[in-house]
Amino acid sequence: LAKTTQPISMDSYEGQEVNITCSHNNIATNDYITWYQQFPSQGPRFIIQGYKTKVTNEVASLFIPADRKSSTLSLPRVSLSDTAVYYCLVVSSGYSSASKIIFGSGTRLSIRP
Amino acid sequence: GAGVSQSPSNKVTEKGKDVELRCDPISGHTALYWYRQSLGQGLEFLIYFQGNSAPDKSGLPSDRFSAERTGGSVSTLTIQRTQQEDSAVYLCASSPRGEADTQYFGPGTRLTVL
Repeated sequence: LAKTTQPISMDSYEGQEVNITCSHNNIATNDYITWYQQFPSQGPRFIIQGYKTKVTNEVASLFIPADRKSSTLSLPRVSLSDTAVYYCLVVSSGYSSASKIIFGSGTRLSIRP
Repeated sequence: GAGVSQSPSNKVTEKGKDVELRCDPISGHTALYWYRQSLGQGLEFLIYFQGNSAPDKSGLPSDRFSAERTGGSVSTLTIQRTQQEDSAVYLCASSPRGEADTQYFGPGTRLTVL
């Protein structure tokens, strides 16, 4: 079961690129890396998922090095509306058999004007 | 289509009472998840259903907590003899198949135990 470690908080400014790194040292072969965003008083919302190398969608990019022991969520040109808590989640394709799903404490991102 | 819905949105109860929280997943989603989130904290995984079965119940905090899912759809999380430490937001999510699928979350039920 891969535990994740993220910075507790980060600050940035509108228009900047923000990179949030997550460590998952004991990630297993069949684990995927998923990132969620949560606004106050709402449930988390899926941002992006990857297994290796780089994944990009309309809102973010996810960089995963060859050893997969970490991953970096990249948010291009952030705005005030990107202020939220970001969770890195490692899920096993086999978690139906036993594992718990650990979201961790997340990274509280604050964007300033 | 409709997203995940939860009811009630808010529940205030007295210590020692039983409560039932309901989750309606997205139609056709076979996997359903329950989480608990205390104020300012991350999500604590409680239980996961694949269809009507819960392969692993070890995430439930105590034997006062139970959950069931019927017809592969609606799920109910029951907390018996509520305690003040049970106060939290209870979130439900569903996904098409489970495993590494994207989870779609409901708005949560805010439970306050007085």
